[in-house]
Amino acid sequence: NAGVTQTPKFQVLKTGQSMTLQCAQDMNHEYMSWYRQDPGMGLRLIHYSVGAGITDQGEVPNGYNVSRSTTEDFPLRLLSAAPSQTSVYFCASSPLGRGQSNQPQHFGDGTRLSIL
Amino acid sequence: EDQVTQSPEALRLQEGESSSLNCSYTVSGLRGLFWYRQDPGKGPEFLFTLYSAGEEKEKERLKATLTKKESFLHITAPKPEDSATYLCAVRVFSGGYNKLIFGAGTRLAVHP
Repeated sequence: NAGVTQTPKFQVLKTGQSMTLQCAQDMNHEYMSWYRQDPGMGLRLIHYSVGAGITDQGEVPNGYNVSRSTTEDFPLRLLSAAPSQTSVYFCASSPLGRGQSNQPQHFGDGTRLSIL
Repeated sequence: EDQVTQSPEALRLQEGESSSLNCSYTVSGLRGLFWYRQDPGKGPEFLFTLYSAGEEKEKERLKATLTKKESFLHITAPKPEDSATYLCAVRVFSGGYNKLIFGAGTRLAVHP
């Protein structure tokens, strides 16, 4: 049981390049989300999904795109990388069924992204 | 505006020296307060969920408590392996969905 798996672990991009951060979970969780973590700041929600085909914006969505074609996968796309997007990105998942809405989120180990 | 503030930013303890970490919050409609532990290079690992004022949860040397405005994470007789960043998050209903608002964390270092 791997939990939440993120790839790659590290990535360096040039300004203007695009890339996709991968996230997969094997717990059959309906809810999946992407956060970014910057020094001195709390984790901030980028996008989230409550099930396949359903996504919505969090508090810092600009410059990022998501899709959810399966329950297991929730990739995050950077459309045109900017230095301000240098950060550590975490994917998380949790169940969302009746009586489970307050279950804690399970996090992956992150992708460390540098934009030059 | 919903806000979560953790203090201190960093804490250095000697092994066996008990202390407390603070998480204060100003939110409308709290739907749970979560404590996570984060080791360097890793994702946050869930520790506790607290739902109502007066509630307490314990796990080994850690004890979390909740009031109407803040939560404390008490660490009793800490060991070096308790060194980590401890994150607090509150769940609120805002903009049509449940969301987690995280504090910036407290970096704890326990020295032998």
